[in-house]
Amino acid sequence: EAGVTQFPSHSVIEKGQTVTLRCDPISGHDNLYWYRRVMGKEIKFLLHFVKESKQDESGMPNNRFLAERTGGTYSTLKVQPAELEDSGVYFCASSQVQDSTEAFFGQGTRLTVV
Amino acid sequence: GEDVEQSLFLSVREGDSSVINCTYTDSSSTYLYWYKQEPGAGLQLLTYIFSNMDMKQDQRLTVLLNKKDKHLSLRIADTQTGDSAIYFCAERGLGGTYKYIFGTGTRLKVLA
Repeated sequence: EAGVTQFPSHSVIEKGQTVTLRCDPISGHDNLYWYRRVMGKEIKFLLHFVKESKQDESGMPNNRFLAERTGGTYSTLKVQPAELEDSGVYFCASSQVQDSTEAFFGQGTRLTVV
Repeated sequence: GEDVEQSLFLSVREGDSSVINCTYTDSSSTYLYWYKQEPGAGLQLLTYIFSNMDMKQDQRLTVLLNKKDKHLSLRIADTQTGDSAIYFCAERGLGGTYKYIFGTGTRLKVLA
């Protein structure tokens, strides 16, 4: 069974450009989470989807970030326009039910804004 | 508020035991986790402990939980060079969105 897959693995963009990150959760997992780790800091929660609905987006930093999950399958996280402080590793995780013991994480997308 | 703290670095010699410590603030946390991130890889679940447990052992890994002090530790016995990685402590409640609250991660360096 395929795990959580994220694309791309690395992205280098210039300040002001747009970048879209993609996450494919484990098939059948209704719950999808986005997290971010800025260099040397903790991994912070961004938002949580249940199917196609946003359950909690309290961690989204500002309105330059837009997450979607049309059809309740894969999810995209768009940053527009990107700023230097957006650099970091973006992780996606999925779980079958909300109170699962474990959410499964992808390998992350390393975003560098120059 | 919710907060998880870890020291940033730990260096040990191969064959020694490593102890990575973590403190958390949310007394309602139900699960506490240790994740490992190797260079270029994603987050790998190492082990977790339910909040009504004091200890959990899994091969070379021992997790100790002091709920009164809100202190969690991970002991790795006979540390190997392959254990070099970043170790993240995380807490998770059963309310709200069940989101993880992670620490900053402890970078473990194992010296040959």
